[in-house]
Amino acid sequence: DGGITQSPKYLFRKEGQNVTLSCEQNLNHDAMYWYRQDPGQGLRLIYYSQIVNDFQKGDIAEGYSVSREKKESFPLTVTSAQKNPTAFYLCASSRLAGASEQYFGPGTRLTVT
Amino acid sequence: KQEVTQIPAALSVPEGENLVLNCSFTDSAIYNLQWFRQDPGKGLTSLLLIQSSQREQTSGRLNASLDKSSGRSTLYIAASQPGDSATYLCAVLVSSGSRLTFGEGTQLTVNP
Repeated sequence: DGGITQSPKYLFRKEGQNVTLSCEQNLNHDAMYWYRQDPGQGLRLIYYSQIVNDFQKGDIAEGYSVSREKKESFPLTVTSAQKNPTAFYLCASSRLAGASEQYFGPGTRLTVT
Repeated sequence: KQEVTQIPAALSVPEGENLVLNCSFTDSAIYNLQWFRQDPGKGLTSLLLIQSSQREQTSGRLNASLDKSSGRSTLYIAASQPGDSATYLCAVLVSSGSRLTFGEGTQLTVNP
């Protein structure tokens, strides 16, 4: 059953703690992406990776970090430096970077108090 | 910088009506445009992707058109059903980059 999985679906953390969101895909896609979605706003790109061991900052990378050690995995760490971390986080992948259709995971809702 | 606008922000129609959702973008040098559907609290589901060389794409009751010169795309939904209720987002891929730029979406409600 091919697709993108994100875990957990809901995540709660105290302010000042780092938290890592998981994203796994078994579509054999080269490119993976992390977006943030806030109420009333469109999706904003945090980081993206075109190939293993390589990634680039998106529009709102401050306070976030990523790694891409395996083709199928692209975890996102929300650090304590992120000023407003509470949001809905979406992971996506595409066969090739940019040119091909993007497929999305179910999302993780992070609440930081 | 590419900007994507979707109007209206919300739309409510009776079941069975044909409807059009609009998407406009400021930079016509796009590589492709993608329409997505998002149900509350869920991820995005890809509906249609139109390459810059194409004028339209169809899937079932959905038809998406693209007019690059005017910076517009429309998503036509025929014979709407309550199950079509969701937020519809469009996103464009600019030729010079590898990132999608999203509109804020149109929240559609189809009333039985």
